[in-house]
Order: sequence, then C-alpha cells, then structure tokens
Amino acid sequence: QVQLVQSGAEVKRPGASVKISCKASGYTFTDFYIHWVRQAPGQGLEWMGWVYPGNDGTSPARRFQGRVALTRDTSVSTVYLELDSLRNDDTALYFCARAHWVSGSYYLDSWGQGTLVTVTS
Amino acid sequence: DIQMTQSPSSLSASVGDRVTITCQASQDIKKNLNWYQQKPGKAPRFLIYDASNLETGVPSRFSGSGSGTDFTVTISSLQPEDIGTYYCQQYDDLPLTFGGGTKVEIK
Repeated sequence: QVQLVQSGAEVKRPGASVKISCKASGYTFTDFYIHWVRQAPGQGLEWMGWVYPGNDGTSPARRFQGRVALTRDTSVSTVYLELDSLRNDDTALYFCARAHWVSGSYYLDSWGQGTLVTVTS
Repeated sequence: DIQMTQSPSSLSASVGDRVTITCQASQDIKKNLNWYQQKPGKAPRFLIYDASNLETGVPSRFSGSGSGTDFTVTISSLQPEDIGTYYCQQYDDLPLTFGGGTKVEIK
C-alpha cells in the first residue's frame, strides 16, 4: 500500500534552517507529484509547494520563494523540504502528500504522518 | 490566489442528524474541488474529489455537490466516527488553497 513516512520532530532557533524528509513506498516514486502542506497550531492547512520526482521539477508557493527548497533523491524514494531563516510563526505540523492526477482530477490521496517543527529561542 | 470560505466554522449535532457544510470559492473553479477530513493530531484523510465523487472506502452517508463557486458536503446520518474538521480545497489554479475548516462535534 502507498505509504509516506516523514522524519521526526525538530526544535530550532529563529534564523536557523530545517530539513524534513518524506520517504515514499508502495508505488512508483517518479510517477507522482509530492506536495507539502503545513498547519500551525490550531490553524488550517497551508499549501507550500510541490516537487515532481520524475524530473526534479518544483513549484514553491510564492510566499515561501527564496526561503524554501524542495528536492528529491530517487535512489531512496525520498523528497525533502528545507526551510531557511526560520521564524516563530513557522512553528507548525508539516505534511507531505502524494498527488493523484488522472483524467483532469487532481487530489492529495495519501499523506505522511506529519513532522512537528517548533521554532523557539 | 483563490480564496475558499467555509461555513459554519463549527457545528454540533446529534448522532443520526443530517449535517451540511458549505464552501465558497472567490471565483469560478468549475468542479475542481476536493474535501478532506482531519482528526486532531492526524493527517487529513481524502474524502471527495471533483466536488461529488467519493474516494474508495468512504461511507455512502457522505456526499458532495456543487460547481462554479458554491459547494457542499453532506453527512446524511452523523456517526460518532465522523467527528473532526473538514476542509475543502481547490485545484483549479496554483497555489492550492484550502478553506478555513469546519469542526464537527457530537452534541
């Protein structure tokens, strides 16, 4: 079955960087886009961008451009999100999610368990 | 960016009640809308795609409708396992955007 397993919780200082991983299994890694979505405590879902493992294409959300790197390593079926210049309001639960795209339909059908990133001085 | 507005932000209903959540898009998104359910501390669960198509395994008491700017998801007979927060999400254009969520509780 499709599985996305994310790396563990992180605690960072303001101004630092964090790199989160998302390891995929149960499907052909290079055939599906992976999206990143985050959720601040008690808040809703915020889309951060996508990476396409098939060709390393990426599309970060405009508000994160210049501060986020979305990468992949096909040898270990893993995508990464790196966020720089962390601020207190980057404290959130970060999810990766596989996008299913067929016949014009597009949805996030499988999600990682989430990685909590806490930014605190 | 396309704004998605959900209402109500929360609701409390009895087991067996019919529950309806609405989602409005700031522009025409055709039927390019999905619904998710999230339980506290867990990842969202995908429920409905293209406004009205249930994901495999989703109970038939869930249904979705709408097109253009106005959408709904209905639970025909609320069950205890349906508690959680529901989000709509448009994919008509990037950035993907989500509604603010509707928290469903049992009265």
